[in-house]
Amino acid sequence: DIQMTQSPSTLSASVGDRVTITCRASQSISSWLAWYQQKPGKAPKLLIYKASTLESGVPSRFSGSGSGTEFTLTISSLQPDDFATYYCQQYTSYFVAFGQGTKVEI
Amino acid sequence: EVQLVESGGGLVQPGGSLRLSCAASGFTLSSYGMNWVRQAPGRGLEWISYISVSGTTIYYADSVRGRFTISRDNAKNSLYLQMSSPRAEDTAVYYCATIRVSTSGSDGFDIWGQGTMVTVSS
Repeated sequence: DIQMTQSPSTLSASVGDRVTITCRASQSISSWLAWYQQKPGKAPKLLIYKASTLESGVPSRFSGSGSGTEFTLTISSLQPDDFATYYCQQYTSYFVAFGQGTKVEI
Repeated sequence: EVQLVESGGGLVQPGGSLRLSCAASGFTLSSYGMNWVRQAPGRGLEWISYISVSGTTIYYADSVRGRFTISRDNAKNSLYLQMSSPRAEDTAVYYCATIRVSTSGSDGFDIWGQGTMVTVSS
């Protein structure tokens, strides 16, 4: 099974900061990676798919990069609405796997 | 409005059974492969099952294989998860989610329900 490891687990930041979250796969997943944002009590929301394609309606301050085993999610200028938990997900097959999550807090 | 609505959660005893439902509105469920994803209190997301459009291809995570059964009724625009012999560690919010597929492959899980809470306890 492919394992996904995110870092850091928690990130303290301020409004306006540039934030980067890393996700590593235990083996190559090409570009079959998605990023989700989840706020407390809410369902996850798709932000990015195929490692770097922005989902429709998602602000352009979000970007994704990487391929193979190492990926990053970047928020160019953190906004108050961005304080949430972020998950990466590999979907090389229908046996998908999520990272453990990164909580972005003030 | 495009949405998925889960129902059927609640308190169930260990070794009992429970059936979760996921109803689609604003779109046709029969166009999508479907998934169940769960989240234990204070924990991360865990994928547990997938079913293809036709229902002929089904996958389970090791944690639920042999105990949970995914199914769908495209005529009713609905997805189901039959939980048998649940354990305390199955306590979680259960989400249904569509998997979007384009000509170049999958684009991830794009539509999610609001979740239904299942508590396994005596």
